[in-house]
Amino acid sequence: EPEVTQTPSHQVTQMGQEVILRCVPISNHLYFYWYRQILGQKVEFLVSFYNNEISEKSEIFDDQFSVERPDGSNFTLKIRSTKLEDSAMYFCASSVRTSNQNDGTDTQYFGPGTRLTVL
Amino acid sequence: LAKTTQPISMDSYEGQEVNITCSHNNIATNDYITWYQQFPSQGPRFIIQGYKTKVTNEVASLFIPADRKSSTLSLPRVSLSDTAVYYCLVGGFYSSASKIIFGSGTRLSIRP
Repeated sequence: EPEVTQTPSHQVTQMGQEVILRCVPISNHLYFYWYRQILGQKVEFLVSFYNNEISEKSEIFDDQFSVERPDGSNFTLKIRSTKLEDSAMYFCASSVRTSNQNDGTDTQYFGPGTRLTVL
Repeated sequence: LAKTTQPISMDSYEGQEVNITCSHNNIATNDYITWYQQFPSQGPRFIIQGYKTKVTNEVASLFIPADRKSSTLSLPRVSLSDTAVYYCLVGGFYSSASKIIFGSGTRLSIRP
């Protein structure tokens, strides 16, 4: 069964450093997402991406964050200057729409996550 | 996006059937009901999705009454490995990429 993969599984960095989290979505999927989950809290939406541009972003996704699909397979999340409060699990998800825009389902499949620890 | 209400936690025993009910009084005509499962330190995993009546797959069943204001996830013969957080989500897909708004979910604990 195809699955979303993420690397690394765990990233430790110093405050102020840049990190890039990588994701390989399921190959025929067209919609890509990043979510994060701070320990003990809810899963929070960060950003959605379709057709090589951001579709929607949350207020968490400020200028320190960026996303890119550098080639046909990878989808990356970059944090330019990490803060202590960026420590969290980061989940990538992908989906493929099954019907037209106003109906149908859009099941998102999540990767295993990257645990980011900012010291 | 329709708001959902589900129990914060539930306990059960191995071999039992577990039913988790979710209320979504403001569900819209085009909304689907989706359930995800999350184990600690893992990504949410899609379990089942439905629009009305009953849906069954190899993992669970989803019961949706005619008014669609609630839904019940049924897990037959649970085992210890079913201990997880279960999220009920309601939404339609009107934009080019639809975010998921996760609530707190139901923390299900299965005992031997």
